[in-house]
Amino acid sequence: DAGVIQSPRHEVTEMGQEVTLRCKPISGHDYLFWYRQTMMRGLELLIYFNNNVPIDDSGMPEDRFSAKMPNASFSTLKIQPSEPRDSAVYFCASSPRLISRNYEQYFGPGTRLTVT
Amino acid sequence: GEDVEQSLFLSVREGDSSVINCTYTDSSSTYLYWYKQEPGAGLQLLTYIFSNMDMKQDQRLTVLLNKKDKHLSLRIADTQTGDSAIYFCAESGGGATNKLIFGTGTLLAVQP
Repeated sequence: DAGVIQSPRHEVTEMGQEVTLRCKPISGHDYLFWYRQTMMRGLELLIYFNNNVPIDDSGMPEDRFSAKMPNASFSTLKIQPSEPRDSAVYFCASSPRLISRNYEQYFGPGTRLTVT
Repeated sequence: GEDVEQSLFLSVREGDSSVINCTYTDSSSTYLYWYKQEPGAGLQLLTYIFSNMDMKQDQRLTVLLNKKDKHLSLRIADTQTGDSAIYFCAESGGGATNKLIFGTGTLLAVQP
């Protein structure tokens, strides 16, 4: 298996532009997570899905952020409009169906977003 | 609330043992995890321990769990320069959620 795939790996955009980050989870995994990592705030969970349904979006910072999972093999995280403070590394992770409450997650390589 | 704490930085010499410590708050966590993040990469699952175990060994890695004190540690024997990375501990939390609660990460610097 190729693991979790994210694209693009790097994104540089100007303030006010729309940014779309993409993720393909590991085949057969039921859960998908979006995280943001910054030096100041560390690793933050933004939202997660179970069987394509958003379960907890309490970590989404504001209405400018939205996430979708139209099918089991694809998810997007969109920021519109983007702001410089959104600059961070965004990770996608997936997790198989729970077995004995073992929630191990598998991370993608991340998208480094820079908003100027 | 749920909180996982780690020291920010650890420096060791190549060949020495490294011990990275973590404290957590949720006593209902079923599993506890250690992840490794190399520069420019995502988090990689290193190992995990079931909450009813005290110790788990996997080659150069030893995980110790003190459930009474809610303290988790990762020992790396014969530390190599390739072990230089950020190490995150995580707890599974309790309840119906399957979120992982991650610590702040410990930067391990291995000096040659």
